[in-house]
Amino acid sequence: DTGVSQDPRHKITKRGQNVTFRCDPISEHNRLYWYRQTLGQGPEFLTYFQNEAQLEKSRLLSDRFSAERPKGSFSTLEIQRTEQGDSAMYLCASRRTGGPSTDTQYFGPGTRLTVL
Amino acid sequence: DQQVKQNSPSLSVQEGRISILNCDYTNSMFDYFLWYKKYPAEGPTFLISISSIKDKNEDGRFTVFLNKSAKHLSLHIVPSQPGDSAVYFCAAPLLQGAQKLVFGQGTRLTINP
Repeated sequence: DTGVSQDPRHKITKRGQNVTFRCDPISEHNRLYWYRQTLGQGPEFLTYFQNEAQLEKSRLLSDRFSAERPKGSFSTLEIQRTEQGDSAMYLCASRRTGGPSTDTQYFGPGTRLTVL
Repeated sequence: DQQVKQNSPSLSVQEGRISILNCDYTNSMFDYFLWYKKYPAEGPTFLISISSIKDKNEDGRFTVFLNKSAKHLSLHIVPSQPGDSAVYFCAAPLLQGAQKLVFGQGTRLTINP
């Protein structure tokens, strides 16, 4: 079963440090999404790629956040100068482009970030 | 603006009985809805979906009902099992652009033996 994978699963860092997360989507999926989930809330959209192009970014994504998907396969999400408010679960999801039957986004296991 | 709302943060149900999780939405443009199940420290797992052209979709123990006039959907789990204990999220994709998912706040379901 080649689902969405994310690495690392957990990251503890000190405030001010930079962190990078990786997402490997399902291989035939050309759409890739990043979401963030905090305690007691549902996941919130951060950004979206279609193939290698980053087509949409949420206003939640401050200048300290950058995401890439250089070859249209895996994606990275970097947070510079981390703050305690960045502590959250970062989720990656992927899906194919197509009709209603492919509207399902499949999520990875997430990366839990703790900023001390 | 909370376009998808789950007003019950938690629900406790006896094993073997029916669990009913509710979700309301405000955006009349939504035409597809999904339920995800999430265990602690894991990502959401797709459970079941429904298109707005239907009012019911069934998959084993799970049934989702959609009432478009009330902008309300519900997930029924029958019979409830201990492994169903998790947080359940209702979600809908926006039609334009990224078709990103808009999630409710989630309902924590606990199945008691």
